[in-house]
Amino acid sequence: ETGVTQSPTHLIKTRGQQVTLRCSSQSGHNTVSWYQQALGQGPQFIFQYYREEENGRGNFPPRFSGLQFPNYSSELNVNALELDDSALYLCASSSARGALAQYFGPGTRLTVL
Amino acid sequence: AQSVTQLGSHVSVSEGALVLLRCNYSSSVPPYLFWYVQYPNQGLQLLLKYTTGATLVKGINGFEAEFKKSETSFHLTKPSAHMSDAAEYFCAVSGSLASNTGNQFYFGTGTSLTVIP
Repeated sequence: ETGVTQSPTHLIKTRGQQVTLRCSSQSGHNTVSWYQQALGQGPQFIFQYYREEENGRGNFPPRFSGLQFPNYSSELNVNALELDDSALYLCASSSARGALAQYFGPGTRLTVL
Repeated sequence: AQSVTQLGSHVSVSEGALVLLRCNYSSSVPPYLFWYVQYPNQGLQLLLKYTTGATLVKGINGFEAEFKKSETSFHLTKPSAHMSDAAEYFCAVSGSLASNTGNQFYFGTGTSLTVIP
């Protein structure tokens, strides 16, 4: 059974640029959630995708957007990067949108200069 | 609304000593509670979870936690600390999304555990 994988591991961007982060969910999981973890903080919920549709969203601006593909992998896109977007971005997959267990990937460390 | 408070951002214990990491929650519905561990440069690993039933929950690596509704607490314990337990620990409560068709986690700010040899 393959776990949750994320790419890239690290990324450096400059303010104003756009970035795409990728996540492959665990085998058999159809739901993907994205979280932002700023340094020294707990993860904050960005949004969740279920069967290619957004299923809920946290308190993040529209420049944070996502996609989920038929194979349930997912992308997080962030436009007009700001310095405060520097964080670890975590993807978590679950077997159903109401499932209590979420399995996290290793994260993508984004640095915005 | 759900929220989690972790008391003590840093905890140090001696190897072999009791580990106690504190977590209090706020929830408008019966809570589902979780503890995750994060090692440096890694994602979150589920230690244990409470959903319903027995209030004392056992997890991996010898950790356990007790759900106390009257105290709105879900403290994490381990009888004897090991050097490999040094990591960041996050308590989380699960809450329904506005659509009521999914769940999101509300995390605490984490507790960094140091184990002294």
